[in-house]
Amino acid sequence: DAGITQSPRYKITETGRQVTLMCHQTWSHSYMFWYRQDLGHGLRLIYYSAAADITDKGEVPDGYVVSRSKTENFPLTLESATRSQTSVYFCASSDSYEQYFGPGTRLTVT
Amino acid sequence: GQQLNQSPQSMFIQEGEDVSMNCTSSSIFNTWLWYKQDPGEGPVLLIALYKAGELTSNGRLTAQFGTTRKDSFLNISASIPSDVGIYFCAGPRYYNFNKFYFGSGTKLNVKP
Repeated sequence: DAGITQSPRYKITETGRQVTLMCHQTWSHSYMFWYRQDLGHGLRLIYYSAAADITDKGEVPDGYVVSRSKTENFPLTLESATRSQTSVYFCASSDSYEQYFGPGTRLTVT
Repeated sequence: GQQLNQSPQSMFIQEGEDVSMNCTSSSIFNTWLWYKQDPGEGPVLLIALYKAGELTSNGRLTAQFGTTRKDSFLNISASIPSDVGIYFCAGPRYYNFNKFYFGSGTKLNVKP
């Protein structure tokens, strides 16, 4: 029972490159979320999805793109990475008020 | 931005001691969740509370939904070294469980 997984766990990329972070859940949860966690800001919602092909912006969506063609996958793409996007990214899923988080991806943009 | 205030921000305790932390808001919440985050890992759900006054336990952890619905408390009894981590409170905005508020966390350190 894998639950929710994220890949890669660590990524270093250069400014201006496109990078995609993957999230996969095995619970068939309807809702999926992307957060970023930074010192001094806590967890901030980037995008969320209520179902396949339904996505909406969160608190800090600029510079990010999401898609959800299948219920179990919710990739997050940084179209042109910037240093300010250096962060730890968490994916979460839920079917109720209880959100379950993945292990995170630590992204460094140089 | 965050609307949940957690205190204390950090704690240094001796193994075996009991721990109390709380989370307050200026707004009413209908659900309170408590998470623990270990270094380098994602937050793990510990306890979920759904009713004002509710008291729920998970092993050595006990959480309460405050009667004013503006606060919640988490207690850890007989702390052990593996309790080290950051504890977050969280809750949805109104009945929209797509949009959560998270507290800034209480960092717990346990000395063996």
